[in-house]
Amino acid sequence: RKEVEQDPGPFNVPEGATVAFNCTYSNSASQSFFWYRQDCRKEPKLLMSVYSSGNEDGRFTAQLNRASQYISLLIRDSKLSDSATYLCVVNKGNNAGNMLTFGGGTRLMVKP
Amino acid sequence: DAMVIQNPRYQVTQFGKPVTLSCSQTLNHNVMYWYQQKSSQAPKLLFHYYDKDFNNEADTPDNFQSRRPNTSFCFLDIRSPGLGDAAMYLCATSRGGFTPLHFGNGTRLTVT
Repeated sequence: RKEVEQDPGPFNVPEGATVAFNCTYSNSASQSFFWYRQDCRKEPKLLMSVYSSGNEDGRFTAQLNRASQYISLLIRDSKLSDSATYLCVVNKGNNAGNMLTFGGGTRLMVKP
Repeated sequence: DAMVIQNPRYQVTQFGKPVTLSCSQTLNHNVMYWYQQKSSQAPKLLFHYYDKDFNNEADTPDNFQSRRPNTSFCFLDIRSPGLGDAAMYLCATSRGGFTPLHFGNGTRLTVT
């Protein structure tokens, strides 16, 4: 089993739709979780950190489910500019705060 | 603006000819990372420094070496590049301790 797994997609959605991605992780001791956005041939950029209580930033909501070992990203009212690859990042374990592993990414394409 | 800077943006080298990629940061972060990203794949951690403490991933080939002469700079040396080493190389920094990564804009390496 991979350490961090994502559905590669692509998710093709119309503008204005709501879309959700999940990311599962294998190490129950993982402590830190992030969502990054990566545009084609560019570097990943931090979208949001994921906190135990869940957090929201505008149209984006991230949640953590420790029992089932997954994090989720919900995008409401999708914009054309949301088209990108979304990467989840998880640290490797309790004593490995610096060891951050990427999922394979989920590609989102928002169509007019 | 505080940032992570990679030079050059594009690097072409010949098969077997040593090449060095550079990264500098003005964030004063403790941790610096090198990731390798091939087309349509997730970034793969090669190694990281926590201050001067070097941490190599188990599956990073010996062909890849790194130096961190001071807090601000980190170098990736590829001693004998092969065709399979063509990729985007991403430098990232963090404050450590479960904090997110901040990426440079990457160096795209071509091996001819």
